[in-house]
Amino acid sequence: QLQLQESGPGLVKPSETLSLTCTVSGGSISSSSYYWGWIRQPPGKGLEWIGSIYYSGSTYYNPSLKSRVTISVDTSKNQFSLKLSSVTAADTAVYYCARGVIVVVPAGSPYNWFDPWGQGTLVTVSS
Amino acid sequence: DIQMTQSPSSLSASVGDRVTITCRASQSISSYLNWYQQKPGKAPKLLIYAASSLQSGVPSRFSGSGSGTDFTLTISSLQPEDFATYYCQQSYSTHGAFGQGTKVEIK
Repeated sequence: QLQLQESGPGLVKPSETLSLTCTVSGGSISSSSYYWGWIRQPPGKGLEWIGSIYYSGSTYYNPSLKSRVTISVDTSKNQFSLKLSSVTAADTAVYYCARGVIVVVPAGSPYNWFDPWGQGTLVTVSS
Repeated sequence: DIQMTQSPSSLSASVGDRVTITCRASQSISSYLNWYQQKPGKAPKLLIYAASSLQSGVPSRFSGSGSGTDFTLTISSLQPEDFATYYCQQSYSTHGAFGQGTKVEIK
């Protein structure tokens, strides 16, 4: 059974870079049937998609965060990572990593969804 | 960018009630719509994908419908374990925007 686990500092200072890693176990990160994503949730608020990385290496980012976000994959460690630069208090949130499932259909674009998710890790931005 | 709007933002219901949550996209997304359930302190869990396909292991009281811009998640008979927040997510574009969530509370 595939499992994902986020790791990284729980406290980051304003203006610094937030760095998180998601370790995938129970399956390989190298498959064209999947992609890998980061989603965050500020305390008491809803879910916000941050970005995704595909098997091809292509990355897609939320336009509102694009200038500050980098997502990368390390296939040798079965991990993918998130870097968010120039953080402020507004970036305080629970950060989730998730596997994206891609299902190709005979006509039209592939369907895709996030499943499973990691348990999430709280990152607080404060001096 | 595609915007997703859910209604209502919250609702109160009793065990056994039929519950309907609506999600509207700012442009047509065909059937590229997923539904997730989130309980307090837990990660979201996939319920429905491709608008109406039930994820394996999810009870059959959950169902999804819709296409284009208007979608519905229905719980046919609300159970105690169903009190949670529900989110829709579009997968039509690579920018997988979520709705703002609908909190289902006990009446």
